[in-house]
Amino acid sequence: NAGVMQNPRHLVRRRGQEARLRCSPMKGHSHVYWYRQLPEEGLKFMVYLQKENIIDESGMPKERFSAEFPKEGPSILRIQQVVRGDSAAYFCASSLYSGGRTDTQYFGPGTRLTVL
Amino acid sequence: SQQGEEDPQALSIQEGENATMNCSYKTSINNLQWYRQNSGRGLVHLILIRSNEREKHSGRLRVTLDTSKKSSSLLITASRAADTASYFCATSRGGLTFGKGTHLIIQP
Repeated sequence: NAGVMQNPRHLVRRRGQEARLRCSPMKGHSHVYWYRQLPEEGLKFMVYLQKENIIDESGMPKERFSAEFPKEGPSILRIQQVVRGDSAAYFCASSLYSGGRTDTQYFGPGTRLTVL
Repeated sequence: SQQGEEDPQALSIQEGENATMNCSYKTSINNLQWYRQNSGRGLVHLILIRSNEREKHSGRLRVTLDTSKKSSSLLITASRAADTASYFCATSRGGLTFGKGTHLIIQP
């Protein structure tokens, strides 16, 4: 049973380009979460999605960032017109349940985005 | 200030000793989780403790939760070099809220 998969593992973009990060949750999981980690810091929640729905995007920057989790295929975190400050590790997690239930989140290996 | 703040920020001990890390949080929680992160890698879930539980064990790990003080502790007994990592507590209201972590170094 494969764990959470993310690709690419490393992504280099120049300022102004677009970055697309993909996340395939664990089999059977319908809840996906995206987090960003800056160097020497903990993870910051960005967005929580279920299939075809954004449940909580309170941690997402208002501009340039978007996320989707279509009925078929992986979840996508999209960053338009990247800037150097977007350089970070982006982690995806998935869970079987959510909210007050046993909602252990399983993390992928992350995508390290470097903006030149 | 952050929900889920770990203390100490860094801890260095000898192999075989016990390591204790603390976590404080601010709002009400459904559960609290501890994760480990090896350098540059994804997080590994260690243990989840529900708000109605006071203590939980898993192997060499012991977690306590005091909801009146809004604090939790993670104890690793008989530490090993492989325990060297960053440890984060996280509270859950859908998405997880992490602190900055405790960087634990086990000296062989």
